[in-house]
Amino acid sequence: EPEVTQTPSHQVTQMGQEVILRCVPISNHLYFYWYRQILGQKVEFLVSFYNNEISEKSEIFDDQFSVERPDGSNFTLKIRSTKLEDSAMYFCASGTKETQYFGPGTRLLVL
Amino acid sequence: AQSVSQHNHHVILSEAASLELGCNYSYGGTVNLFWYVQYPGQHLQLLLKYFSGDPLVKGIKGFEAEFIKSKFSFNLRKPSVQWSDTAEYFCAASSGSARQLTFGSGTQLTVLP
Repeated sequence: EPEVTQTPSHQVTQMGQEVILRCVPISNHLYFYWYRQILGQKVEFLVSFYNNEISEKSEIFDDQFSVERPDGSNFTLKIRSTKLEDSAMYFCASGTKETQYFGPGTRLLVL
Repeated sequence: AQSVSQHNHHVILSEAASLELGCNYSYGGTVNLFWYVQYPGQHLQLLLKYFSGDPLVKGIKGFEAEFIKSKFSFNLRKPSVQWSDTAEYFCAASSGSARQLTFGSGTQLTVLP
């Protein structure tokens, strides 16, 4: 059964550094998403992407965040200048119009 | 604001016991409802979903959920749990045509052998 994959599984970075989190969605899906879960808190929606553009974004998804689908397979989340409060598990999801399938997550730690 | 509440943070059951996990939502208009499960060390997996039609929805692994509009609830049930059901369970909702999911805080289920 096809799955969403994410790399890296863990990333440690210094505050102010740029990070790129990578996702390979399921191949025939058209909708792509990023969510995050800060330790002890709820899973929160960040952004959705369809037809090569952002379709929805939350208040969390400010100018330091960007998403890209650089080729036919990858879907990336870039954080330009990381802050301590960006430490979280970041989940990618891909899906059909109705259903989202999640990847295993990338645990980001900002020091 | 849209929200999803799961009031049981940790549930401990013995094998063969019946399970009901509560989920309440606060949404105006059309709502789509989901239950996801996260087994230890694994990613979120979809258990079941409700969009419209029969309010009793059957999912994988013997789980079912009932949409009760008057109570704004979508509780997850299983008649007889197994040790392998030990996991964290998340209720989620989306509104109308918007696809972003709003998650509850999750319920950790521990099933004792």
